Amino acid sequence: AQRVTQPEKLLSVFKGAPVELKCNYSYSGSPELFWYVQYSRQRLQLLLRHISRESIKGFTADLNKGETSFHLKKPFAQEEDSAMYYCALSRVTGSSNTGKLIFGQGTTLQVKP
Amino acid sequence: EAGVAQSPRYKIIEKRQSVAFWCNPISGHATLYWYQQILGQGPKLLIQFQNNGVVDDSQLPKDRFSAERLKGVDSTLKIQPAKLEDSAVYLCASSLRGAGTLNYGYTFGSGTRLTVV
Repeated sequence: AQRVTQPEKLLSVFKGAPVELKCNYSYSGSPELFWYVQYSRQRLQLLLRHISRESIKGFTADLNKGETSFHLKKPFAQEEDSAMYYCALSRVTGSSNTGKLIFGQGTTLQVKP
Repeated sequence: EAGVAQSPRYKIIEKRQSVAFWCNPISGHATLYWYQQILGQGPKLLIQFQNNGVVDDSQLPKDRFSAERLKGVDSTLKIQPAKLEDSAVYLCASSLRGAGTLNYGYTFGSGTRLTVV
């Protein structure tokens, strides 16, 4: 069965410190991985996806198929990064994506001044 | 562009009552999703529509939950009768490209927070 695990419920860092939010997944095929973010009183929104290999708001994430991980990293945390972060997986079969997202439980990032 | 609209924002009902949630996706989005997010957990897919057809409803508790998307646009999710464990945020999302394509873009609504007492 497909599963996404975010081992930390809360990650608290000081402004300017490096951040790494962990995500591990369980899936036998080729998944598509995402990070979603939810700021206070805002809707869930896409932060980045692994196939884009992009950096959004200074965040990057690399898919490590050997370790089945997709950790989210940022070298210098900002107070405005404080939010709930969800790692999500979507199944890919051939060139098709099912569209269904399987979410982890989420990690609250708290950046202190 | 306008986002995914959901109503109501909040609903409090007693157990065994019925409740309905409404979702209006982004114009032109073929695929619509309903997720349930229980406090402290990530969202879980309840049902996925492609136009007005059901693609995946494997995790929908069909004895009490039902959903429809009659004209391939708006959708309604109903719970009848509600149980205490149905207390959650119900999120609607839509995407431009349907299931079966590699690239798509999800947009979530603000959700409906249901409290069953």
